[in-house]
Amino acid sequence: QQQVKQSPQSLIVQKGGISIINCAYENTAFDYFPWYQQFPGKGPALLIAIRPDVSEKKEGRFTISFNKSAKQFSLHIMDSQPGDSATYFCAAWIQGAQKLVFGQGTRLTINP
Amino acid sequence: NAGVTQTPKFQVLKTGQSMTLQCAQDMNHEYMSWYRQDPGMGLRLIHYSVGAGITDQGEVPNGYNVSRSTTEDFPLRLLSAAPSQTSVYFCASSYGGRRGYTFGSGTRLTVV
Repeated sequence: QQQVKQSPQSLIVQKGGISIINCAYENTAFDYFPWYQQFPGKGPALLIAIRPDVSEKKEGRFTISFNKSAKQFSLHIMDSQPGDSATYFCAAWIQGAQKLVFGQGTRLTINP
Repeated sequence: NAGVTQTPKFQVLKTGQSMTLQCAQDMNHEYMSWYRQDPGMGLRLIHYSVGAGITDQGEVPNGYNVSRSTTEDFPLRLLSAAPSQTSVYFCASSYGGRRGYTFGSGTRLTVV
């Protein structure tokens, strides 16, 4: 069973727009929330990550927003570019069990 | 520094055959994991290890075995291949779970 639910499954955004991908979880043992970016034929690569005691983290055009009470977190890509076209995965680290679980993934397409 | 190396990159098996997917890392990472990636299912954890001699099951362990005799290597064994095991398999490693995982480039396995 998927412990992290990700939506939407696919997303099309115009160049220069804002891309938003959402994730939700139930397990309160999660204590680290990374996002991964995957290009076709490649393995996922760490993009940005956040701890649950922080509500927002920004790195360049990429921002994670975290709502601990709602058990939700999201990735925002500002000024989306065609080079951002990829599959994005949210993930959560289970404290104690020492393992990383992933959401279902979102295929993002940025139209030029 | 090669990172995480997976071999082979492609493999076709007949139902009932066995094989081992190889994974090696040269970063002295303690944590290693195996994931499978299927459309619409995201990345699902098969088995993981927090150090040499220590392994544990993930979300979908049935039909797979692992061992971790050294820090560098974490092979995944398919005992009797089934068509349901057709997937892309990723090995990943991390110095510590919260520092992010480095993924290999994947093995695309087809079972006919």
